Order: sequence, then C-alpha cells, then structure tokens
Amino acid sequence: QKEVEQNSGPLSVPEGAIASLNCTYSDRGSQSFFWYRQYSGKSPELIMFIYSNGDKEDGRFTAQLNKASQYVSLLIRDSQPSDSATYLCAVVPMMDSSYKLIFGSGTRLLVRP
Amino acid sequence: DTEVTQTPKHLVMGMTNKKSLKCEQHMGHRAMYWYKQKAKKPPELMFVYSYEKLSINESVPSRFSPECPNSSLLNLHLHALQPEDSALYLCASSQGAGGQYEKLFFGSGTQLSVL
Repeated sequence: QKEVEQNSGPLSVPEGAIASLNCTYSDRGSQSFFWYRQYSGKSPELIMFIYSNGDKEDGRFTAQLNKASQYVSLLIRDSQPSDSATYLCAVVPMMDSSYKLIFGSGTRLLVRP
Repeated sequence: DTEVTQTPKHLVMGMTNKKSLKCEQHMGHRAMYWYKQKAKKPPELMFVYSYEKLSINESVPSRFSPECPNSSLLNLHLHALQPEDSALYLCASSQGAGGQYEKLFFGSGTQLSVL
C-alpha cells in the first residue's frame, strides 16, 4: 500500500464548477497535510496546509481533513482554466520520526472554458 | 519574500562530466532539501540539511554529493551520472529544522539531462 494515494485523473470540470480532489494516507499517526499545485514544467507551489480535523478555507480553496478516515481533500470553488495543473497531496508520516514529506502521485485537473 | 533560487535552470552533461547544482535562499530558513522528480512522478526526497548539517540521506548513490556551505546555500555535486538520473532536481527550504509542521517552499528547479 502506498503511503499517500491520489487518483491520477485527469479530473475534468467546467469553468465555474467546484473541483474536488481527494487523497488518502496510510500512516494513522500523520499530523500534517499539504496541498501543492504544479503546473507543467514548473516546480510545486504550496497552496494549502491543514493540521486539525475539519475544514480550512483560504479564498477559493478549502482543505478538509478526516483523520479517522485517513482522508484529506481539496475543494476549488469557481474553478478557472488557470487552475488546470497537477495537484500533489503531501503528508508527513510519523512512522520513523524523521518528518519526511511524502508526496502522492498527483491528480491532474483540467478546467474547461 | 518566499523565493528559493536555483541555478542553472537547465543542464546537459555527459556521463563523465562533473557539474554542480546551486540553491540559495535568503529567508533565514534553517532546513534545506534536495528532491528529484521524474516526469509524471511525484518529487522524491534525496537529502535534508538542518542547521547546515546533513540530517537525512535517502540512500542516494554516491555520485550525488550534497554540500551546505552556509545557512543560505545548498549545492548538489554531480559526478559520473547515468542517463536514468535525468530528471528535475528541486531545492526547497523550510523555516524550522525540518519538523512535522514545516512548510516547504520550492525553487524553480534544474532540468538535468544526462547523455
């Protein structure tokens, strides 16, 4: 079982819709969760982080965390074509206390004009 | 300013060459990282420096040699690379010493091609 799993996509949504990106993780002791956006040929850019169960909102982005279900998601409201990118979920597992950031394989999002 | 600067942006080298990748940050961050990313794959951790000392080496082959001359600079020395080492090499930094809540900020990367 991979430590961090994401559906590779592509997830295609129309402009203005809500895009929902999902991520599951295997280490139940994980405490910190991050979402990075990566445009093709560019480096990852941190867009959200969440440490506690529940929702965290920042502009059009909402991160949701459910530690009991080992599930973290990213909602993008009013999706724009410029949101088309690969979204990487990243988790810091607690299994060896070295605090390494482990990335999922990413979900490719396409926002259709 | 959340900028991490990497040079060069592109590098082509032969298998017998020696080259270096450079990374610089002036945010006062105490941890710096090297990641490797192959096409359509997630970044994979290679090395972590915390307070200028190597804290994590992910069993990276010795043909990759990291160096942290001071708290703002991180180098990756390359020697006798293989074509399969071609990838995007990403430098990142974080404010603290690499704990579980650290937010990593990435540079723009060096696209390396080994011929």
